[in-house]
Amino acid sequence: EIVMTQSPATLSVSPGERATLSCRASQSVNSHLAWYQQKPGQAPRLLIYGASTRATGIPARFSGSGSGTEFTLTISSLQSEDFAVYYCQQYNNWPPYTFGQGTKLEIE
Amino acid sequence: EVELVESGGGLVQPGGSLRLSCAASGFTFSLYSMNWVRQAPGKGLEWVSYIGSSGDNTIHYVDSVKGRFIISRDSAKNSLFLQMNSLRDEDTALYFCVKGMGYCSGGSCYNWFDSWGQGTLVTVSS
Repeated sequence: EIVMTQSPATLSVSPGERATLSCRASQSVNSHLAWYQQKPGQAPRLLIYGASTRATGIPARFSGSGSGTEFTLTISSLQSEDFAVYYCQQYNNWPPYTFGQGTKLEIE
Repeated sequence: EVELVESGGGLVQPGGSLRLSCAASGFTFSLYSMNWVRQAPGKGLEWVSYIGSSGDNTIHYVDSVKGRFIISRDSAKNSLFLQMNSLRDEDTALYFCVKGMGYCSGGSCYNWFDSWGQGTLVTVSS
């Protein structure tokens, strides 16, 4: 089973600033990595798949990068609606599909 | 617009059973793989089960539910199901119905989760 590790667990950033979230896989997942955003009381929403492709309707301020074992989600200029929990997920070696434990992005 | 609506959750005693349902609309249900993903209260996401598109009999489960849960689909009714037996305290979670999207290459398939329902809560407690 591939273990996904996200860092940091909590990230405090001011609106308008850049946020950088990290995700590491215990072995290579190539570019088969997705990012999801989850707000309180809501279902997760797909942001990025293929490590760097934005899903339909996702603003350009969200970008993903990386391959192999190291991945990054960058939010270039934080808006109030971006404060949420973010999860990475690998779909290269499955079953099982595995998620990271999440990074909570909070307002500084 | 894709819509996934789960139902069937509730309070059940340890050892009991529940059957979750998911009504799908807004896409050609038979063409897509489907999944159940759960989230324990205050915790992260855990994939539970996968079923391939209609005509593909592939089914997978996370180890912790193998032999207890059964996933199925009815493409005539655009519905996904999860039969949950021998429920344990640790099965308590919000269960999401999730649509897969992806591709197959070189004998392997790669699917991410592009649409999620709002979830149905399963509570296992005496």
